[in-house]
Formats: sequence, structure tokens, C-alpha cells
Amino acid sequence: NAGVTQTPKFQVLKTGQSMTLQCAQDMNHEYMSWYRQDPGMGLRLIHYSVGAGITDQGEVPNGYNVSRSTTEDFPLRLLSAAPSQTSVYFCASTLRTLGPYNEQFFGPGTRLTVL
Amino acid sequence: SQQGEEDPQALSIQEGENATMNCSYKTSINNLQWYRQNSGRGLVHLILIRSNEREKHSGRLRVTLDTSKKSSSLLITASRAADTASYFCATAVHNTGTASKLTFGTGTRLQVTL
Repeated sequence: NAGVTQTPKFQVLKTGQSMTLQCAQDMNHEYMSWYRQDPGMGLRLIHYSVGAGITDQGEVPNGYNVSRSTTEDFPLRLLSAAPSQTSVYFCASTLRTLGPYNEQFFGPGTRLTVL
Repeated sequence: SQQGEEDPQALSIQEGENATMNCSYKTSINNLQWYRQNSGRGLVHLILIRSNEREKHSGRLRVTLDTSKKSSSLLITASRAADTASYFCATAVHNTGTASKLTFGTGTRLQVTL
């Protein structure tokens, strides 16, 4: 099993550009989530999904879109990148049952810089 | 404000010593989880302790939970250089009317020197 994979590992964008951060898992986990990690702030939840076709907002959803067409994939879209979105982004997955109460499996992260 | 806050922010010890880090939180929880993050990597789950548990062990890790003080501690015994990482607590909170969520603290950076 590859676990949770994320691409790309690094990305530099200019202000106003759009891009999609990819996340995939091969553990048949229905619950998936996106976090951003900023220095001194811990991890903050952006969006999450409890299964294909179902998504919801987390703590800091503005400027990001998600969709969930399959169980395996949960892409995160930046619509119009801003310097405030410079961060490290982590995707995580777990069993749907009890969702956030469960052990989370994290991907390796995408380091995004917006100039 | 953060639901979980770790203390200390940074800790430096020598190999073989024990490392203790603490986590305090504000609201009632379903469970509390500890994660490790090596530099430049994703988080790895270490241990989960439920609100009705007081202590849990896993190898060299010992976690305690005091719900009356809303605090938890992670003890790593006989530390090794490979334990050098950041450690995060995460609290699973059930919110009435909204989705339950997992909230992470700001982490403790542990440096283990030879």
C-alpha cells in the first residue's frame, strides 16, 4: 500500500494563479481532509469529506475548493492564489466510522509558496 | 485560540534521558491523540487515549490524561537521536449541531543529542 500520496511536493505560484493539489489514498478510507500548517499555528482544517460526493468546510475554507468524485481522490483547488496561502498543505484520511475520532493517516505534504 | 497547546515549545535532551511534553486543552473531548512529525515530513500517529482512560502505553511511550485538569502528557523514555521531531497533540471534540473535529496544538520540538 502506498498510503496517502500528495503531488506536487513543492510548488511556486504567482498571485492570482490557480492550481490543484492532488491527494490520493489506497486504503479505502472514506473520510479525507485537508490541513494547512503554518509556523506557530499548528494544523488547521480547510475542508473535509466523509465519502464520495460529500464535502464540508473546516476552520479556514476561504480561497479553497474541494470535490470528491471517487473514494480514492480528494483534490484541493486554489482558485486565485494569494501570498497568505503560502503554507505546507497536508492531506489525511481515515475510516469513515467516527471520522475525526480515529487515527489519521497523513500524506507527506505539499510546500506551496505564493509570490 | 488553540484548543490544544503544548508545553514546552522546545525541548533539548541527551540520548538516554526521558522527555516529557504536556498538552492542555479547553473543552470536553472524546479522545486525545499524539502525533510525531519529522522535519519535512507528514504527521505520524503515535497513540490515542480516550476520555475515560487515564494512562496508556506503547513501547517507550507513556501517555496520561487528566480530564479534570484538561491536560495530557507524553513521556518518551530512554530517548534516542531518532526521536528528534516535533510532537503534536490533537483533541477530538464533539460539537453539538456541527461536525465533530480534530484540533491540533502548536507542537513541541524535541531535539535529542548524542
